[in-house]
Amino acid sequence: AQKVTQAQTEISVVEKEDVTLDCVYETRDTTYYLFWYKQPPSGELVFLIRRNSFDEQNEISGRYSWNFQKSTSSFNFTITASQVVDSAVYFCALSYGNNRLAFGKGNQVVVIP
Amino acid sequence: DAEITQSPRHKITETGRQVTLACHQTWNHNNMFWYRQDLGHGLRLIHYSYGVQDTNKGEVSDGYSVSRSNTEDLPLTLESAASSQTSVYFCASSESNRAHEQYFGPGTRLTVT
Repeated sequence: AQKVTQAQTEISVVEKEDVTLDCVYETRDTTYYLFWYKQPPSGELVFLIRRNSFDEQNEISGRYSWNFQKSTSSFNFTITASQVVDSAVYFCALSYGNNRLAFGKGNQVVVIP
Repeated sequence: DAEITQSPRHKITETGRQVTLACHQTWNHNNMFWYRQDLGHGLRLIHYSYGVQDTNKGEVSDGYSVSRSNTEDLPLTLESAASSQTSVYFCASSESNRAHEQYFGPGTRLTVT
């Protein structure tokens, strides 16, 4: 069965600090996709990134970076030099079947000015 | 621009009443999904559909039903609302390939009193 674990429930950081969100997944599929979504206080879910299981290259998008390690079944997300606008809940998700998603419970990030 | 909408955005109903939440997408996606979001649980899949006349149960389907009579709409019905169904409900759609992300609606906050 597919499972996604985001162990840290709430993380508080002071503005400009870096914050890393851990995501550990379980799957028996050999091909799969991993996603991160952001849910700001306004409530909508915003897609951030997709990664397939064959591509272990790290990715950077501005202040966001992702570290995918198949050997440890992890897909961690780092926000560099955090800003107040980064305050949100972040969800890691794993695809299975015909694009169903298994979500982790989310990380609440609070950036303190 | 293509979009996915949900209505109503907020709903208060009484225990035992039937409630229908609407979801409409103009992406022309075959896949549509309903999730509920509860504190401490992340997003959990209620029902999903891979096309017209196709519906499937997700992990928390008891007390809910869906129907798919066209590509654009997947209404979610609570047959007899219970207080345990107080939640935020999200509808999503995606292309028929798990390489693709899901696009989420703005959510419906349902309170059952």
